[in-house]
Amino acid sequence: SAVISQKPSRDICQRGTSLTIQCQVDSQVTMMFWYRQQPGQSLTLIATANQGSEATYESGFVIDKFPISRPNLTFSTLTVSNMSPEDSSIYLCSGLYRDSGYTFGSGTRLTVV
Amino acid sequence: RKEVEQDPGPFNVPEGATVAFNCTYSNSASQSFFWYRQDCRKEPKLLMSVYSSGNEDGRFTAQLNRASQYISLLIRDSKLSDSATYLCVVTLYNFNKFYFGSGTKLNVKP
Repeated sequence: SAVISQKPSRDICQRGTSLTIQCQVDSQVTMMFWYRQQPGQSLTLIATANQGSEATYESGFVIDKFPISRPNLTFSTLTVSNMSPEDSSIYLCSGLYRDSGYTFGSGTRLTVV
Repeated sequence: RKEVEQDPGPFNVPEGATVAFNCTYSNSASQSFFWYRQDCRKEPKLLMSVYSSGNEDGRFTAQLNRASQYISLLIRDSKLSDSATYLCVVTLYNFNKFYFGSGTKLNVKP
């Protein structure tokens, strides 16, 4: 079955700093996405990570705050920039696989203090 | 209006009970439907796809009603291990956006 590796699994960061989250998939996916899940809430799509080009952001999310890279098919990063306590959340990488559907990484639990 | 709406629960049921969740979606162009399960502090994992003809996987049965735009999940003979949050997921025809419901929390008690 599809496996997605995401790191770090958790971090505590100072406000004003930035954190980069990495996501590695073990085989080729058709699409990669980044989600946010705030406490007690469902998942909110941040953006679709496009290989070799700018990500496609959802309403309410901008590249300056959440720059995303996807240099190749199997790797992507999400940076949470200039963090504030409101950015404390779980960030999830996901991939759409042809055979096994939509799979999530284990998530990054971010706390901003 | 949200794309996908679910009753947040929680549903508190005894072991062995049968429980059903519904989920409604707003876009009639929606084409694919799924139920995901999310355990506390874990990522969501695919439980089952939902087909137009309905489908069953062991104790779990999923149904789709396109006319009324809702999907359902039925769990028979509930186990303690079924305690989790169940997320309804809907995609549009081009498959590049997945819309998640807010989840229904299930607590199965001994």
